Amino acid sequence: EAGVAQSPRYKIIEKRQSVAFWCNPISGHATLYWYQQILGQGPKLLIQFQNNGVVDDSQLPKDRFSAERLKGVDSTLKIQPAKLEDSAVYLCASSSSPGQGYEQYFGPGTRLTVT
Amino acid sequence: AQRVTQPEKLLSVFKGAPVELKCNYSYSGSPELFWYVQYSRQRLQLLLRHISRESIKGFTADLNKGETSFHLKKPFAQEEDSAMYYCALRGNQGGKLIFGQGTELSVKP
Repeated sequence: EAGVAQSPRYKIIEKRQSVAFWCNPISGHATLYWYQQILGQGPKLLIQFQNNGVVDDSQLPKDRFSAERLKGVDSTLKIQPAKLEDSAVYLCASSSSPGQGYEQYFGPGTRLTVT
Repeated sequence: AQRVTQPEKLLSVFKGAPVELKCNYSYSGSPELFWYVQYSRQRLQLLLRHISRESIKGFTADLNKGETSFHLKKPFAQEEDSAMYYCALRGNQGGKLIFGQGTELSVKP
Protein backbone atom coordinates (compact mmCIF):
# COMPACT_ATOMS: atom_id res chain seq x y z
CA GLU A 1 0.00 0.00 0.00
CA ALA A 2 1.35 3.42 -0.95
CA GLY A 3 2.19 5.72 1.93
CA VAL A 4 1.26 9.32 2.61
CA ALA A 5 2.68 11.57 -0.09
CA GLN A 6 3.72 15.20 0.39
CA SER A 7 5.14 17.86 -1.89
CA PRO A 8 7.30 19.75 -2.15
CA ARG A 9 9.94 18.16 0.07
CA TYR A 10 11.81 21.42 0.57
CA LYS A 11 10.87 25.07 0.19
CA ILE A 12 12.80 28.27 0.83
CA ILE A 13 10.92 31.57 0.81
CA GLU A 14 11.39 35.08 2.10
CA LYS A 15 9.30 36.43 4.94
CA ARG A 16 5.96 37.90 3.90
CA GLN A 17 5.77 35.57 0.90
CA SER A 18 3.14 32.87 0.61
CA VAL A 19 3.60 29.12 0.32
CA ALA A 20 1.42 26.04 -0.10
CA PHE A 21 1.98 22.41 0.80
CA TRP A 22 0.14 19.43 -0.61
CA CYS A 23 -0.71 16.09 0.98
CA ASN A 24 -2.18 12.92 -0.49
CA PRO A 25 -3.21 10.49 2.28
CA ILE A 26 -3.35 6.72 2.13
CA SER A 27 -6.27 5.63 -0.01
CA GLY A 28 -9.44 5.23 2.00
CA HIS A 29 -8.19 7.11 5.06
CA ALA A 30 -10.91 9.45 6.25
CA THR A 31 -8.85 11.28 8.85
CA LEU A 32 -6.06 13.64 7.88
CA TYR A 33 -3.74 15.63 10.16
CA TRP A 34 -1.26 18.45 9.61
CA TYR A 35 1.49 18.76 12.21
CA GLN A 36 4.19 21.42 12.55
CA GLN A 37 7.59 20.32 13.83
CA ILE A 38 9.96 23.09 14.82
CA LEU A 39 13.62 22.15 15.10
CA GLY A 40 14.34 20.46 18.44
CA GLN A 41 10.68 19.88 19.26
CA GLY A 42 8.13 17.17 18.74
CA PRO A 43 5.35 17.52 16.16
CA LYS A 44 2.40 19.71 17.14
CA LEU A 45 -1.05 19.40 15.59
CA LEU A 46 -2.19 22.30 13.42
CA ILE A 47 -5.42 20.91 12.03
CA GLN A 48 -7.39 17.66 11.83
CA PHE A 49 -9.89 16.79 9.11
CA GLN A 50 -12.51 14.08 9.16
CA ASN A 51 -13.40 13.56 5.47
CA ASN A 52 -13.69 17.17 4.27
CA GLY A 53 -14.76 18.68 7.60
CA VAL A 54 -12.51 20.31 10.20
CA VAL A 55 -12.49 18.52 13.57
CA ASP A 56 -9.76 20.43 15.41
CA ASP A 57 -8.04 23.64 14.33
CA SER A 58 -7.54 25.09 17.78
CA GLN A 59 -3.77 25.50 17.34
CA LEU A 60 -3.85 26.81 13.76
CA PRO A 61 -2.75 30.48 13.51
CA LYS A 62 -5.78 31.44 11.48
CA ASP A 63 -4.55 34.93 10.68
CA ARG A 64 -1.92 33.45 8.37
CA PHE A 65 -2.53 29.70 8.02
CA SER A 66 -5.35 28.05 6.11
CA ALA A 67 -6.06 24.49 5.09
CA GLU A 68 -8.62 22.71 3.03
CA ARG A 69 -9.50 19.18 2.11
CA LEU A 70 -11.83 19.39 -0.83
CA LYS A 71 -13.59 16.14 -1.75
CA GLY A 72 -12.22 14.54 1.41
CA VAL A 73 -9.03 13.24 -0.16
CA ASP A 74 -6.05 15.53 -0.86
CA SER A 75 -5.31 18.45 1.38
CA THR A 76 -3.49 21.76 1.01
CA LEU A 77 -1.96 23.83 3.79
CA LYS A 78 -1.18 27.48 3.02
CA ILE A 79 0.77 30.15 4.84
CA GLN A 80 0.26 33.79 3.86
CA PRO A 81 2.24 35.82 4.76
CA ALA A 82 5.09 33.70 6.16
CA LYS A 83 7.09 34.73 9.20
CA LEU A 84 10.57 33.65 10.25
CA GLU A 85 9.09 31.54 13.07
CA ASP A 86 7.19 29.45 10.51
CA SER A 87 10.44 27.71 9.58
CA ALA A 88 9.71 24.08 10.41
CA VAL A 89 8.92 20.67 8.96
CA TYR A 90 5.25 20.29 8.07
CA LEU A 91 4.06 16.73 8.45
CA CYS A 92 0.91 15.24 7.04
CA ALA A 93 -0.53 12.09 8.59
CA SER A 94 -3.59 9.99 7.89
CA SER A 95 -5.56 7.24 9.57
CA SER A 96 -8.65 5.23 8.71
CA SER A 97 -10.35 6.54 11.83
CA PRO A 98 -9.58 9.15 14.51
CA GLY A 99 -10.44 6.77 17.33
CA GLN A 100 -8.18 5.02 19.79
CA GLY A 101 -6.50 1.98 18.34
CA TYR A 102 -6.09 3.40 14.84
CA GLU A 103 -2.53 4.07 13.71
CA GLN A 104 -1.52 7.39 12.19
CA TYR A 105 0.78 7.09 9.19
CA PHE A 106 3.12 9.97 8.47
CA GLY A 107 4.37 11.43 5.24
CA PRO A 108 8.01 12.44 4.63
CA GLY A 109 7.31 16.07 5.50
CA THR A 110 7.99 19.40 3.83
CA ARG A 111 10.90 21.36 5.23
CA LEU A 112 10.16 25.10 5.07
CA THR A 113 12.86 27.71 5.55
CA VAL A 114 11.75 31.33 5.83
CA THR A 115 14.56 33.88 5.37
CA ALA B 1 -3.08 19.93 30.83
CA GLN B 2 -2.06 17.21 28.41
CA ARG B 3 1.70 16.96 28.23
CA VAL B 4 4.46 14.50 27.38
CA THR B 5 7.94 14.97 28.83
CA GLN B 6 11.11 13.32 27.61
CA PRO B 7 13.83 14.55 29.95
CA GLU B 8 16.82 13.49 27.85
CA LYS B 9 17.58 15.23 24.56
CA LEU B 10 20.48 12.90 23.82
CA LEU B 11 21.30 9.43 25.08
CA SER B 12 24.59 7.88 24.07
CA VAL B 13 25.42 4.23 24.81
CA PHE B 14 27.78 1.58 23.57
CA LYS B 15 26.65 -1.38 21.50
CA GLY B 16 25.42 -4.18 23.72
CA ALA B 17 24.59 -1.89 26.64
CA PRO B 18 21.04 -1.63 28.03
CA VAL B 19 18.96 1.35 26.97
CA GLU B 20 16.12 3.15 28.71
CA LEU B 21 14.46 6.19 27.17
CA LYS B 22 12.28 7.98 29.67
CA CYS B 23 8.79 9.31 29.06
CA ASN B 24 6.39 10.86 31.55
CA TYR B 25 2.95 12.13 30.75
CA SER B 26 0.22 14.28 32.19
CA TYR B 27 -3.37 13.38 31.31
CA SER B 28 -6.55 12.84 33.28
CA GLY B 29 -8.32 9.87 31.79
CA SER B 30 -7.23 6.79 29.86
CA PRO B 31 -4.77 7.82 27.17
CA GLU B 32 -3.09 5.70 24.58
CA LEU B 33 0.69 5.84 24.77
CA PHE B 34 3.03 5.36 21.83
CA TRP B 35 6.67 5.36 20.89
CA TYR B 36 7.48 6.67 17.41
CA VAL B 37 10.92 6.41 15.81
CA GLN B 38 12.57 8.38 13.04
CA TYR B 39 15.68 6.88 11.47
CA SER B 40 18.00 9.11 9.47
CA ARG B 41 16.34 10.31 6.25
CA GLN B 42 13.19 8.28 6.92
CA ARG B 43 9.70 9.27 7.93
CA LEU B 44 8.27 9.09 11.40
CA GLN B 45 6.94 5.60 12.08
CA LEU B 46 5.21 3.82 14.90
CA LEU B 47 7.50 1.63 16.98
CA LEU B 48 5.07 0.34 19.57
CA ARG B 49 1.94 1.21 21.53
CA HIS B 50 0.98 0.30 25.07
CA ILE B 51 -2.25 -1.49 24.14
CA SER B 52 -0.48 -4.08 22.00
CA ARG B 53 1.99 -5.08 24.73
CA GLU B 54 4.42 -6.47 22.17
CA SER B 55 8.15 -6.29 21.69
CA ILE B 56 9.32 -4.63 18.47
CA LYS B 57 12.98 -4.84 17.42
CA GLY B 58 13.75 -5.92 20.98
CA PHE B 59 12.15 -2.81 22.51
CA THR B 60 9.46 -2.96 25.17
CA ALA B 61 7.55 -0.30 27.06
CA ASP B 62 5.28 -0.69 30.05
CA LEU B 63 2.62 1.80 30.99
CA ASN B 64 2.87 2.71 34.67
CA LYS B 65 -0.28 4.61 35.51
CA GLY B 66 0.82 5.27 39.09
CA GLU B 67 3.99 7.03 37.97
CA THR B 68 2.41 8.25 34.70
CA SER B 69 5.38 6.87 32.80
CA PHE B 70 5.94 4.90 29.62
CA HIS B 71 9.66 4.27 29.45
CA LEU B 72 11.17 2.49 26.43
CA LYS B 73 13.68 -0.25 27.14
CA LYS B 74 16.01 -2.57 25.29
CA PRO B 75 18.42 -4.93 27.04
CA PHE B 76 21.16 -4.84 24.38
CA ALA B 77 21.44 -1.82 22.10
CA GLN B 78 22.48 -2.21 18.46
CA GLU B 79 24.06 0.40 16.20
CA GLU B 80 20.98 0.32 13.95
CA ASP B 81 18.90 1.56 16.90
CA SER B 82 20.48 5.00 16.51
CA ALA B 83 17.56 7.33 15.74
CA MET B 84 15.21 9.96 17.17
CA TYR B 85 12.58 8.54 19.48
CA TYR B 86 9.36 10.34 20.31
CA CYS B 87 6.91 9.43 23.03
CA ALA B 88 3.32 10.43 22.29
CA LEU B 89 -0.11 10.19 23.81
CA ARG B 90 -3.61 10.26 22.42
CA GLY B 91 -6.57 11.10 24.60
CA ASN B 92 -9.54 8.86 25.22
CA GLN B 93 -11.49 10.83 22.61
CA GLY B 94 -8.97 9.79 19.97
CA GLY B 95 -7.71 12.25 17.43
CA LYS B 96 -4.45 14.15 17.64
CA LEU B 97 -1.18 12.87 19.02
CA ILE B 98 0.64 14.92 21.63
CA PHE B 99 4.38 14.43 21.32
CA GLY B 100 7.31 14.85 23.64
CA GLN B 101 10.38 16.74 22.49
CA GLY B 102 12.18 13.59 21.46
CA THR B 103 15.34 11.78 22.54
CA GLU B 104 18.19 11.18 20.16
CA LEU B 105 19.67 7.75 20.77
CA SER B 106 23.23 7.24 19.63
CA VAL B 107 24.66 3.72 19.83
CA LYS B 108 28.42 3.65 19.48
CA PRO B 109 30.38 0.63 18.26
